[in-house]
Amino acid sequence: AQKVTQAQTEISVVEKEDVTLDCVYETRDTTYYLFWYKQPPSGELVFLIRRNSFDEQNEISGRYSWNFQKSTSSFNFTITASQVVDSAVYFCALSSSHGDDKIIFGKGTRLHILP
Amino acid sequence: DTEVTQTPKHLVMGMTNKKSLKCEQHMGHRAMYWYKQKAKKPPELMFVYSYEKLSINESVPSRFSPECPNSSLLNLHLHALQPEDSALYLCASSQEGSGSPYEQYFGPGTRLTVT
Repeated sequence: AQKVTQAQTEISVVEKEDVTLDCVYETRDTTYYLFWYKQPPSGELVFLIRRNSFDEQNEISGRYSWNFQKSTSSFNFTITASQVVDSAVYFCALSSSHGDDKIIFGKGTRLHILP
Repeated sequence: DTEVTQTPKHLVMGMTNKKSLKCEQHMGHRAMYWYKQKAKKPPELMFVYSYEKLSINESVPSRFSPECPNSSLLNLHLHALQPEDSALYLCASSQEGSGSPYEQYFGPGTRLTVT
């Protein structure tokens, strides 16, 4: 069975602080894909990153960075120098190459950036 | 252009009404999705169309009827809904279906209220 766990339900930090959102996944597949999505208060889910199971390189995009560790089945997301506009719900998600098109979402982490 | 559009943005309907939600994408994507999202929950997959054919129906009640007139359009026909069907309905599309879990691009959603 596939599962995504985001243990942090809600996080509040003061603007300019760094914050890490945790994601732990479970899968028996050797080929799988991990995603992060952002959902601001407007409601639209915004795609942030897609990672396949064979690429453990960490990725940095501006203030965002992702740490993928297969040994601990984790795909954590760090925002550096947070800004109020980063306030949103962040979902980690998992998909495999089984032949279907399903994405398994975690329950999400609600992030509040306080001015 | 990574835009998925949805209409209407808001919809209030009675339990005896018939209404339709519309979704459109012009990215050449061949997989399209309907999700239902309740407050403070992750999106729940309802239907997947791959190459204009229904590939996944997640045991959705028949009062929800999807339709894919062509590769750019996706409709969700609603009839005899219940108050518990009130939710945010999200449409998404991705580059391919069936075994290639590319990232999904989401529309802004239709916020549905059933009275």
